[in-house]
Amino acid sequence: DAEITQSPRHKITETGRQVTLACHQTWNHNNMFWYRQDLGHGLRLIHYSYGVQDTNKGEVSDGYSVSRSNTEDLPLTLESAASSQTSVYFCASSDALGGEGTEAFFGQGTRLTVV
Amino acid sequence: KQEVTQIPAALSVPEGENLVLNCSFTDSAIYNLQWFRQDPGKGLTSLLLIQSSQREQTSGRLNASLDKSSGRSTLYIAASQPGDSATYLCAAEDSSYKLIFGSGTRLLVRP
Repeated sequence: DAEITQSPRHKITETGRQVTLACHQTWNHNNMFWYRQDLGHGLRLIHYSYGVQDTNKGEVSDGYSVSRSNTEDLPLTLESAASSQTSVYFCASSDALGGEGTEAFFGQGTRLTVV
Repeated sequence: KQEVTQIPAALSVPEGENLVLNCSFTDSAIYNLQWFRQDPGKGLTSLLLIQSSQREQTSGRLNASLDKSSGRSTLYIAASQPGDSATYLCAAEDSSYKLIFGSGTRLLVRP
């Protein structure tokens, strides 16, 4: 079955370190997204991509970057981790069909703690 | 800017009740409306997707409706069970395929 997987599931890192969270999907979807979920803020969009070599900034992109070298993967990099980036991160994928989006699928999340 | 609101924020019901969760959005120019379930510490599980050209979708005991003109969607859960306890999120997809989420409804079904 097709799926979307994130790794690691849990990570503790120190302030100032570079961290990369992995996201891999086997749906062959063109659209991929990174969200963060925080109490009081819900799910907020960080970055997204519509295909290989395409990346776009979302609502809360400062301090984050992504790259899309193939259809399956969209790694999220925290350039210099800050305590404000302690959160749960979700990756999602979807596709476009007839101009409308298809069902979006989410990974199980990565809980990141910056100490 | 699209804003999505979910009411109520929390709901506690006895087992067996039929219940309705509400979702409203400010911009009617959406591509689709998707309902998700999230269990504590887990990811989001897609429940139902309603395309903009559709009025409702059904899956088992779940029925979701969409009224774009009024900016509303409802999720109806029939004969609720303790296993339905979770947070339910609705998300409106805009023309850029981005999902804008509501803050969710925390549901507790008491045995």
